[in-house]
Amino acid sequence: SQQGEEDPQALSIQEGENATMNCSYKTSINNLQWYRQNSGRGLVHLILIRSNEREKHSGRLRVTLDTSKKSSSLLITASRAADTASYFCATRDQGGKLIFGQGTELSVKP
Amino acid sequence: EAGVAQSPRYKIIEKRQSVAFWCNPISGHATLYWYQQILGQGPKLLIQFQNNGVVDDSQLPKDRFSAERLKGVDSTLKIQPAKLEDSAVYLCASRKAGTGNYEQYFGPGTRLTVT
Repeated sequence: SQQGEEDPQALSIQEGENATMNCSYKTSINNLQWYRQNSGRGLVHLILIRSNEREKHSGRLRVTLDTSKKSSSLLITASRAADTASYFCATRDQGGKLIFGQGTELSVKP
Repeated sequence: EAGVAQSPRYKIIEKRQSVAFWCNPISGHATLYWYQQILGQGPKLLIQFQNNGVVDDSQLPKDRFSAERLKGVDSTLKIQPAKLEDSAVYLCASRKAGTGNYEQYFGPGTRLTVT
């Protein structure tokens, strides 16, 4: 079963614009992670936000977490063509298993 | 440090044939995962090892899939016999054990096509 669901499924923007992706989940969590997957490659961990945190920054990435709404967002500022990839949120279920959403496919056009 | 290694990168087989995938995790990472990623979806955990013991294989189709990690380092995932719906990317990931170490490191995956 999918714990996290990303929205939108696909996003196309111009270089320099900001990209916002949203993730909703169903059960209570200890933390939420975001991963990036370039075409034909494995996933790369981007950032982890804990349940007692509301916002976290890492370079051009900004992640927010709203546990009352069971949702998170990933903002990529000043996007670059190299940011073109699929982005997944992931949460842990009660058994400790990491559950990934279906992902948002981001396309950044130069 | 070297990343997670997987081989082969691509495999095409006919249905009912057998196939095996190999994974070498990052040195020192006690936890190893195998995921199945169907096109357009997120990865789904098949099996998790802690050293050479199985922690979670609840989503592994055990009638056709098997996995082992005999010496607590390398791992192999086998499908026998393969079905058309097994076409997917099989990802291996590893994680350093310890509290607070949630980040998983993924290999490049093996793309399996079953015809």
